[in-house]
Amino acid sequence: DADVTQTPRNRITKTGKRIMLECSQTKGHDRMYWYRQDPGLGLRLIYYSFDVKDINKGEISDGYSVSRQAQAKFSLSLESAIPNQTALYFCATSEGGHNEQFFGPGTRLTVL
Amino acid sequence: GDSVTQMEGPVTLSEEAFLTINCTYTATGYPSLFWYVQYPGEGLQLLLKATKADDKGSNKGFEATYRKETTSFHLEKGSVQVSDSAVYFCALSDYNQGGKLIFGQGTELSVKP
Repeated sequence: DADVTQTPRNRITKTGKRIMLECSQTKGHDRMYWYRQDPGLGLRLIYYSFDVKDINKGEISDGYSVSRQAQAKFSLSLESAIPNQTALYFCATSEGGHNEQFFGPGTRLTVL
Repeated sequence: GDSVTQMEGPVTLSEEAFLTINCTYTATGYPSLFWYVQYPGEGLQLLLKATKADDKGSNKGFEATYRKETTSFHLEKGSVQVSDSAVYFCALSDYNQGGKLIFGQGTELSVKP
């Protein structure tokens, strides 16, 4: 079984809808991250969490919110989706800083 | 702020050719440097890393040396295979910023038989 899982893998939605992307991990890591990937821009950090009570904004947090329900679960929400949030979203985990991050398979989100 | 710049792709090579993907960085602290690879339809996976100046990371025939004097971490492989076709991302992690990863824009590599 995959160590970092994301659901759904693909989602098509309409402008203005609320969307939640979920991430679960079985690696026991304390740190979790949400990135979005856009062609030619690499991955950009949306939010990150160092533990259940520690949530931090990344470089592009506007229009997004997160919830760390447990050490193993970190959800990303788009309160009112807009077309320029169409992207590939990745969740990642790590154990402490300076360490390798492990990525989920990604969620492809399309906002019409 | 910290940043990473990679050579633009796509890069197209014939099998067994030599590969270099350039990566330079800007950082105020003492970052660790990484190369991640993304195969089609998959998430990113760590290819190699280096945590201090002059360290060489290596894996699967790929190598990269942490050059502080030129702020570079170029990825090389002596003989590429079709199975190396993927997108390669250079990234840095600065401990003073909580170990967050900052990525370059990615370089797509296509290897033809």
